[in-house]
Amino acid sequence: IQMTQSPSALSASVGDRVTITCRASQGITNDLGWFQQKPGKAPKRLIHETSTLQSGVPSRFSGSGSGTEFTLTISSLQPEDFATYYCLQYNNYPWTFGQGTKVEMK
Amino acid sequence: EVQLVESGGGLVQPGGSLRLSCAASGFTFSNFDMTWVRQSPGEGLQLVSTITGGGTYYADSVKGRFTISRDDSKNTLYLQMNSLRAEDTAIYYCARGWCADWGQGTLVTVSS
Repeated sequence: IQMTQSPSALSASVGDRVTITCRASQGITNDLGWFQQKPGKAPKRLIHETSTLQSGVPSRFSGSGSGTEFTLTISSLQPEDFATYYCLQYNNYPWTFGQGTKVEMK
Repeated sequence: EVQLVESGGGLVQPGGSLRLSCAASGFTFSNFDMTWVRQSPGEGLQLVSTITGGGTYYADSVKGRFTISRDDSKNTLYLQMNSLRAEDTAIYYCARGWCADWGQGTLVTVSS
């Protein structure tokens, strides 16, 4: 299964609402996660099963979608949110990641 | 607290072999599927291999060259990497379950 993530990069300001999309090449029900990665660090899972927030993740992060189209939304971007974000489908082996979205400061 | 600690990375010549290990603690290791994910310099994440109760799975790019295994008595995950190529150069992470938890990674460099 191919995961097409968009955009590949975006510029935003603190307080902005940010939306990142992942599209699957075939239906994956709700078997999708979102990850945040900061430079030099391992990825951190934010969301699993499309919309379930990982414990400790701020509520400004949310996920939605089903089937083939999925969205990660950051409702009000904070300074610590500038990072690269990836989606991951785990409906079919081998699991596949999206190409990543780098969120940069405007 | 879940801890995953990778080791075994290093510099290896093309065509060479390396075995990575991932020592797990803080959870019942035998109850979880485990995964290796890699990240080439400046690139995105790529799933390398997953081991489940039902079998093992590999990315096409490593199939036939890499072997994932585990020793539940030692709470350790392994990745045997043979016939290494320059394009295998990456940080290799181990991850638990649906990648809920990650290690810090170990760097593999394939170069002459």
